[in-house]
Amino acid sequence: DAGVTQSPTHLIKTRGQQVTLRCSPKSGHDTVSWYQQALGQGPQFIFQYYEEEERQRGNFPDRFSGHQFPNYSSELNVNALLLGDSALYLCASSPWTAYGYTFGSGTRLTVV
Amino acid sequence: AQSVTQLDSQVPVFEEAPVELRCNYSSSVSVYLFWYVQYPNQGLQLLLKYLSGSTLVKGINGFEAEFNKSQTSFHLRKPSVHISDTAEYFCAVTDPSYNNNDMRFGAGTRLTVKP
Repeated sequence: DAGVTQSPTHLIKTRGQQVTLRCSPKSGHDTVSWYQQALGQGPQFIFQYYEEEERQRGNFPDRFSGHQFPNYSSELNVNALLLGDSALYLCASSPWTAYGYTFGSGTRLTVV
Repeated sequence: AQSVTQLDSQVPVFEEAPVELRCNYSSSVSVYLFWYVQYPNQGLQLLLKYLSGSTLVKGINGFEAEFNKSQTSFHLRKPSVHISDTAEYFCAVTDPSYNNNDMRFGAGTRLTVKP
């Protein structure tokens, strides 16, 4: 059984560009959360999707947006990239709170 | 919002020695608590979790953690560490008041096991 898969694994973008990251949750998981992990820091909550809607959002600007599809997969979009957006972006899925999250290996985004 | 504080950013320890990684949480209401491990260039892997009941929870790789409500702590322990335990460890908290509430993480503790 595949866990959470993320693509691409690495990405280099220029300031001002837009980027889309993709996530397929673990089978049976319907909730997808996205996290940003800067170097040497803990994961910071971006937002969570459930039933194709953004249910919760962390302290991130509107440049960060997302989508969830009927098959529960999800995308994270970041517009007008800044150097400070360089980080590891982690996708996590879960069927319910007590289960905990299953994480993907992440997408390493470098903005130059 | 709930939060966790990991009291040590780095913990160096010799192989086969015991280790404790400390975590305090902010909420006074019911919480679910988790410990995750992250190896270089990988995602996070669940070590163990506290939901309710027994305050001592056992996880994978010989780790255990003790929930202490009066001290709002959830410290991670291992009686004898191995070189392979070298990694980043994260404590996390979520509110069980409704399903799939978001999870908040600490800044992490870098455990380095030396031979």
